[in-house]
Amino acid sequence: DAKTTQPTSMDCAEGRAANLPCNHSTISGNEYVYWYRQIHSQGPQYIIHGLKNNETNEMASLIITEDRKSSTLILPHATLRDTAVYYCIVRVAGQGGKLIFGQGTELSVKP
Amino acid sequence: NAGVTQTPKFRILKIGQSMTLQCTQDMNHNYMYWYRQDPGMGLKLIYYSVGAGITDKGEVPNGYNVSRSTTEDFPLRLELAAPSQTSVYFCASSPGQAGNTIYFGEGSWLTVV
Repeated sequence: DAKTTQPTSMDCAEGRAANLPCNHSTISGNEYVYWYRQIHSQGPQYIIHGLKNNETNEMASLIITEDRKSSTLILPHATLRDTAVYYCIVRVAGQGGKLIFGQGTELSVKP
Repeated sequence: NAGVTQTPKFRILKIGQSMTLQCTQDMNHNYMYWYRQDPGMGLKLIYYSVGAGITDKGEVPNGYNVSRSTTEDFPLRLELAAPSQTSVYFCASSPGQAGNTIYFGEGSWLTVV
């Protein structure tokens, strides 16, 4: 089973920051948090990942709490093209490092 | 650099037929995965491989077989297709485990009628 819990859906105004929360209270010390998104039924697109420190790249920022039990993905200036399903995933240590997907958060960016 | 390539993109099968979904990656990744995604659901892992000659079952392996004779290729075989196998199939690859990115293909849409 997925080791993460996310809200089913969220709305965000275009141009505003989108903050997507994720709970992963059973995460182990050597497991990473990954974020992917899926637009329509295209292949999942990698966004960002982290272990314990906050991370930032050209797409987004990832804020991980100090106890590592939750995290937040931040899209700083959401556009209509950011409308997608966002998956927060804890990558399993061992077992091929497989990703176990949950239901994700459906983000709707509105004009 | 094509990344992860899946063929075919679309296929209609009759019940009881068999077919192979092809997956090739040109990034020299050791780790490869097959997922399926039913409408409105998240992806579920079918099989994975950590290197040539090594495969293992995921969450939903029944009705499928895989092989990994080369680093580049990871074909998924459907034997005796059933309507429950109607789904979108995604292949993925990664250079390693913790801290490495997993790259996905664009998907193969399969309908069993």
